[in-house]
Amino acid sequence: QVQLQESGPGLVKPSETLSLTCTVSGVSISSYYWSWIRQPPGKGLEWIAYIYYNGNTNHNPSLKSRVTISVDSSKNQFSLKLSSVTAADTAVYYCARHRDGDFGGHFFDYWGQGTLVTVSS
Amino acid sequence: DIVMTQSPDSLAVSLGERATINCKSSQSVLYSSNNKNYLAWYQQKPGQPPKLLIYWASTRESGVPDRFSGSGSGTDFTLTISSLQAEDVAVYYCQQYYTTPFTFGPGTKVDIK
Repeated sequence: QVQLQESGPGLVKPSETLSLTCTVSGVSISSYYWSWIRQPPGKGLEWIAYIYYNGNTNHNPSLKSRVTISVDSSKNQFSLKLSSVTAADTAVYYCARHRDGDFGGHFFDYWGQGTLVTVSS
Repeated sequence: DIVMTQSPDSLAVSLGERATINCKSSQSVLYSSNNKNYLAWYQQKPGQPPKLLIYWASTRESGVPDRFSGSGSGTDFTLTISSLQAEDVAVYYCQQYYTTPFTFGPGTKVDIK
């Protein structure tokens, strides 16, 4: 079955770069679009960025140019880097699969369990 | 950006009764060329990731109980739980995927009365 697992540091210092990896199993990463979505504690969901296996990317302009998303098809992984973090970036970060991005179906049918990243000195 | 709003913020419903959640988008998410509404609903329980319930506004995801249904078009949508069960206690989110940035509603918390 399809599984997604986030990994990365749980604590990042202000002004540094948050780095997370999502490892996908049960399906080839080359067949779908993939996203990062975050949720500050006790708050709602914010879409961060997506990537397709061919390198096509899109990100939320609210995060300006701080976001870098990449894919490693050989490892069936995709990654997120968020630079110049502040306390406002403290959140649970989820990776998720788009059901059918090729036909506009950019809703999320499989999610990782999420990883809490705290920004603090 | 398309802004999604939901109402109410929270509601408490007796077991077996109907729960209705509304979602409104700041612009239409109906794509005229295929007559599809680019709107999904998710359920999130504490400590868990969101779970897809409904997509294309009214298509139930496989394995989702048929007491969950979605309706609406254009800018106004509704998620209905026809007979609330204890396991339905959760926060429910709508999401538009008509255009980027994809955006979610603020959530509606459903509890048992």
